Amino acid sequence: DTGVSQDPRHKITKRGQNVTFRCDPISEHNRLYWYRQTLGQGPEFLTYFQNEAQLEKSRLLSDRFSAERPKGSFSTLEIQRTEQGDSAMYLCASSLEPYGTGAPGTQYFGPGTRLLVL
Amino acid sequence: AQSVTQLDSQVPVFEEAPVELRCNYSSSVSVYLFWYVQYPNQGLQLLLKYLSGSTLVKGINGFEAEFNKSQTSFHLRKPSVHISDTAEYFCAHGGATNKLIFGTGTLLAVQP
Repeated sequence: DTGVSQDPRHKITKRGQNVTFRCDPISEHNRLYWYRQTLGQGPEFLTYFQNEAQLEKSRLLSDRFSAERPKGSFSTLEIQRTEQGDSAMYLCASSLEPYGTGAPGTQYFGPGTRLLVL
Repeated sequence: AQSVTQLDSQVPVFEEAPVELRCNYSSSVSVYLFWYVQYPNQGLQLLLKYLSGSTLVKGINGFEAEFNKSQTSFHLRKPSVHISDTAEYFCAHGGATNKLIFGTGTLLAVQP
């Protein structure tokens, strides 16, 4: 179990550019989440996947944001035409959801990707 | 909508003193509660969780929390803190869809 990894750890970009982040979850975890954390705030939910299916998207996820999990393993989060307001820490988490029990699996977080839009 | 309130943005405490970090959640049908810790420039690490059963939950690093349904609270406690406990602590509520709703965090500042 190597934990959740994210790449890159830091990204500086100019306004209007596109950026893509990658998340590698713990192997065999069937659920993957993306959160965004701004300074002085708790993480805010963006979206999550059950295997390769994207099941829920937050209103925070504007049309400029897109996430994929093509084979039910790693996931990418792309931001098009970045704005200064996109500057934040983007956190990925994964969990193994047990079927039939109703109780949630524990979400394990990666180290995050810190984005700065100039 | 679900919400989590952490009333204390910062809690200063001397080393070896006890500490309590407060968390209140909005009532819902499914109540799953978590405490995470975040060290500077790092992701979140799970301290403990309440899913069901005993209302007193023990976690890592000597922390514990008590689920109180009538007061909709899930306060985090430690009887004796160390300098290394200095970090940001987040309370979170997971509902039916299991996405986590986080509070705004409490900075625990342990002083020698």
